[in-house]
Amino acid sequence: ILNVEQSPQSLHVQEGDSTNFTCSFPSSNFYALHWYRWETAKSPEALFVMTLNGDEKKKGRISATLNTKEGYSYLYIKGSQPEDSATYLCAFKTGANNLFFGTGTRLTVIP
Amino acid sequence: GAGVSQSPRYKVAKRGQDVALRCDPISGHVSLFWYQQALGQGPEFLTYFQNEAQLDKSGLPSDRFFAERPEGSVSTLKIQRTQQEDSAVYLCASSPGTHQPQHFGDGTRLSIL
Repeated sequence: ILNVEQSPQSLHVQEGDSTNFTCSFPSSNFYALHWYRWETAKSPEALFVMTLNGDEKKKGRISATLNTKEGYSYLYIKGSQPEDSATYLCAFKTGANNLFFGTGTRLTVIP
Repeated sequence: GAGVSQSPRYKVAKRGQDVALRCDPISGHVSLFWYQQALGQGPEFLTYFQNEAQLDKSGLPSDRFFAERPEGSVSTLKIQRTQQEDSAVYLCASSPGTHQPQHFGDGTRLSIL
């Protein structure tokens, strides 16, 4: 089992604040890094699939960067809104087809 | 459009009983994955199908766990002689291809008494 770590474990921010959190993964055998957003009582929703070192992806107010050499990815949320409250999961993919998930960062945006 | 559908949403069984969990992937998705999520943990890989072929079952925790996808669409995860440690959320995901994101179902929450 590969070690994928996410930090912080949980985070409370005020509405309008920008925030970011980290996913750390093994720097060897890199194939892809996935980010998912998981709201309570719903299924995980894919945000980004990142494959290249230096990749930057953006979707609305959410963006992510990738550094495969040092084994980390950052997820940024600009101007957080209450609807951004969710658990954000990253998952590391080796050459095989399975994903190794972190335990997630639980974000709560306070109105 | 229709997403990944899992049934039942909740399942309560007595220790020792057999259970079967169903996953209907998105139509046309070649890849299908099963994950187990224990409380407070991220999803952990169980098994992977490409069409009807089970290409990776390295994550199945014991020989009590068995998965099939006989016609390359619907998949069933079966757990025989359930134990309390099998209590978890079982997630199914499908994907059109290797570099594509996975689309998850809502999961089945299994409780073993």
